Amino acid sequence: KAGVTQTPRYLIKTRGQQVTLSCSPISGHRSVSWYQQTPGQGLQFLFEYFSETQRNKGNFPGRFSGRQFSNSRSEMNVSTLELGDSALYLCASSSAGAVYGYTFGSGTRLTVV
Amino acid sequence: AQSVSQHNHHVILSEAASLELGCNYSYGGTVNLFWYVQYPGQHLQLLLKYFSGDPLVKGIKGFEAEFIKSKFSFNLRKPSVQWSDTAEYFCAVNAPNSGYALNFGKGTSLLVTP
Repeated sequence: KAGVTQTPRYLIKTRGQQVTLSCSPISGHRSVSWYQQTPGQGLQFLFEYFSETQRNKGNFPGRFSGRQFSNSRSEMNVSTLELGDSALYLCASSSAGAVYGYTFGSGTRLTVV
Repeated sequence: AQSVSQHNHHVILSEAASLELGCNYSYGGTVNLFWYVQYPGQHLQLLLKYFSGDPLVKGIKGFEAEFIKSKFSFNLRKPSVQWSDTAEYFCAVNAPNSGYALNFGKGTSLLVTP
């Protein structure tokens, strides 16, 4: 079956702009989580959605937001981009949540200049 | 502060050597534990997971991990590594007070030389 699909793979944005990243989970998976990966901070949890409801949110500023649609596809949005937002953004899906183990996508590499 | 610690940031081994990567966590209560692997140029993949029961869990590709509750540890092992095991390894914890979030360690970069 198809894996977790993230689009786009690469993005270059300018400081102050906003960006929207997309994630299509594995068919049948209703839980989608987002993580930020940077060399300095490693993998950090952003938020998790299940059946269109945000169940958990990590310690990120309000500029980071997300949503999930009825078909389980998810988007995350970052407004007023800062240089420090440059990172690999990973989406992961699961049938129910972390306890079942997540399947990760290949990520979107965001570079803020 | 609650955290996940991976002791070795970089490990270099020769093929056929034994591997043990350390992972300690500082969460109290019942936790769910995971090891993920990221091969060069590929996405994160689940190696193995522990929820309850037998503290020795077996995963894919010959990997296993042992949960020692008294030591808050979940170390990853493999008796004989191969060149293809070269990758970054991440320990992760799903703690009872963190909802459905995975809290990752900083990762261990493993290089296996022929």
